[in-house]
Amino acid sequence: DTEVTQTPKHLVMGMTNKKSLKCEQHMGHRAMYWYKQKAKKPPELMFVYSYEKLSINESVPSRFSPECPNSSLLNLHLHALQPEDSALYLCASSQPTGGNLGANVLTFGAGSRLTVL
Amino acid sequence: SQKIEQNSEALNIQEGKTATLTCNYTNYSPAYLQWYRQDPGRGPVFLLLIRENEKEKRKERLKVTFDTTLKQSLFHITASQPADSATYLCALTSGGYNKLIFGAGTRLAVHP
Repeated sequence: DTEVTQTPKHLVMGMTNKKSLKCEQHMGHRAMYWYKQKAKKPPELMFVYSYEKLSINESVPSRFSPECPNSSLLNLHLHALQPEDSALYLCASSQPTGGNLGANVLTFGAGSRLTVL
Repeated sequence: SQKIEQNSEALNIQEGKTATLTCNYTNYSPAYLQWYRQDPGRGPVFLLLIRENEKEKRKERLKVTFDTTLKQSLFHITASQPADSATYLCALTSGGYNKLIFGAGTRLAVHP
């Protein structure tokens, strides 16, 4: 089983709704990520938090709002989404300084499947 | 512009054969390259990492090579099994340690 837990597994929302995706890890990793993945496409990086601070925002629209309340938790707040935002949203974590491998190896959660109507 | 290209969208092979997947990149100078496996509806799972000064890395039935002159990595699965059927993604860091970018992936189907 994955050590990164994402909830909910499935979410259906209307374009006027406000919802949140949640991610939790207890591996002591200090970097956490949100990726978006459309069908038959690779994961696309959205946000990176390092030591609870936002370090990378890949020009993501403001209707996606990330939050890192502590080193174990990562949220993605969703508001006024469009149907084209429907996708699998993946959370991941890593050791920001590379851990034993000296490289940035990511551990992914199973994802949250989002459908925007 | 930077590109990560994986050889084909899909690869079909017979059980017991060796599967060879290709990852080519342009306008990157990666210190290392990673391979992940992804099953449908699931997150990617890390398989292997190879550094720029390593020519080859092995783990059980998996072998990865890395040629920084050709800007190419090859990923081999020997004695393939139907359970190896999945999408395989190569990944590089770009513009910062924490920015891991994925190739489009190759869907491997191993037939009995």
